[in-house]
Amino acid sequence: GEDVEQSLFLSVREGDSSVINCTYTDSSSTYLYWYKQEPGAGLQLLTYIFSNMDMKQDQRLTVLLNKKDKHLSLRIADTQTGDSAIYFCAESRSDYKLSFGAGTTVTVRA
Amino acid sequence: ETGVTQTPRHLVMGMTNKKSLKCEQHLGHNAMYWYKQSAKKPLELMFVYNFKEQTENNSVPSRFSPECPNSSHLFLHLHTLQPEDSALYLCASSQAGSGRYNEQFFGPGTRLTVL
Repeated sequence: GEDVEQSLFLSVREGDSSVINCTYTDSSSTYLYWYKQEPGAGLQLLTYIFSNMDMKQDQRLTVLLNKKDKHLSLRIADTQTGDSAIYFCAESRSDYKLSFGAGTTVTVRA
Repeated sequence: ETGVTQTPRHLVMGMTNKKSLKCEQHLGHNAMYWYKQSAKKPLELMFVYNFKEQTENNSVPSRFSPECPNSSHLFLHLHTLQPEDSALYLCASSQAGSGRYNEQFFGPGTRLTVL
């Protein structure tokens, strides 16, 4: 199987919360990341969490980490149309290498 | 503006052509990367240059040839590609060696179509 796995699609109504899930395999990963890719653009770092944390909150974003189950999630509160994008989960493999998932395409409907 | 630029943004080439993709980073980083993005597949790391030295080559076919003349520029030379090589090619850079935190900054990508 893939090192980092995510569901491919998520549809959410505007104003609702979105939850994007990710599982990873490397228990030695010290940092885990969420990147966002808007149409026609490269990936942009959205947020990250250090592995000794369970949760990190940044405005509308909440990252939850379950290190025992190697499960990472990103919750977006009050989802807006501008949140429509592809979201990538990634884990650190070394000082310079990241391993990415396939990305979850989030579609926000009115 | 992410500080990483890529040219061209779109490229259509035949299987016998030779072309090059260019990436430039204006962030003072010491590591640069080439990724291949195909629909519904994980982002594939192709090459890594750390302080201009190639430190990673993930079993990439020899029809892809990277070049890193300095820490700000990265090229991907393409020769006799196959239709399955059609994808979005992303360049990224980072400041490697800062603990294990590795924020990579991406360019907008080159959309490559091989006919």
